[in-house]
Amino acid sequence: DTAVSQTPKYLVTQMGNDKSIKCEQNLGHDTMYWYKQDSKKFLKIMFSYNNKELIINETVPNRFSPKSPDKAHLNLHINSLELGDSAVYFCASSQDISGGNQPQHFGDGTRLSIL
Amino acid sequence: SQKIEQNSEALNIQEGKTATLTCNYTNYSPAYLQWYRQDPGRGPVFLLLIRENEKEKRKERLKVTFDTTLKQSLFHITASQPADSATYLCAPPYNQGGKLIFGQGTELSVKP
Repeated sequence: DTAVSQTPKYLVTQMGNDKSIKCEQNLGHDTMYWYKQDSKKFLKIMFSYNNKELIINETVPNRFSPKSPDKAHLNLHINSLELGDSAVYFCASSQDISGGNQPQHFGDGTRLSIL
Repeated sequence: SQKIEQNSEALNIQEGKTATLTCNYTNYSPAYLQWYRQDPGRGPVFLLLIRENEKEKRKERLKVTFDTTLKQSLFHITASQPADSATYLCAPPYNQGGKLIFGQGTELSVKP
């Protein structure tokens, strides 16, 4: 039973389109995250939510809008996709938000390619 | 801003040897440091967490050290096996909301 699952695994779409990525965790964790891994393999945090409340927003363009309907789900909607949005997007979760002493559990990523 | 640097070159070693990976951080003082493993096409998997008051932490064939004076962590895999081949990521948290700052990773290849 997958702990953190993301859908879709692959997303190929045209520039200018709007798309969503879904994430669910069945670990009972309070905190969820979105990360972006670019072609150089750097993994950078975009957002974190704790119990449905936005905690971290790392100066991501406002074309990216996270939504957490409940603490087990964190979705990412992207408007007006641009070429530079091509990357792998990872969802993660941790027990709670305490300052970095909690391991994070990652999904296997959504590979977004913009044509 | 916070900066993390890991061995920039890929590390190739022979099976049975010890692999040593380096992580240096600048411009902040994390109270913890985490290490993750990432296989191609998969998400990072947590391996070890070390606290600033722990000089060394071990888990099976893995050993991590944390030198807050040098601002450096070393990650060792003893008796390495081909199955240890992966990219290893260092992530000292910025003490604000659980924010992990990842290094670019070191790709380890263990040859039989």
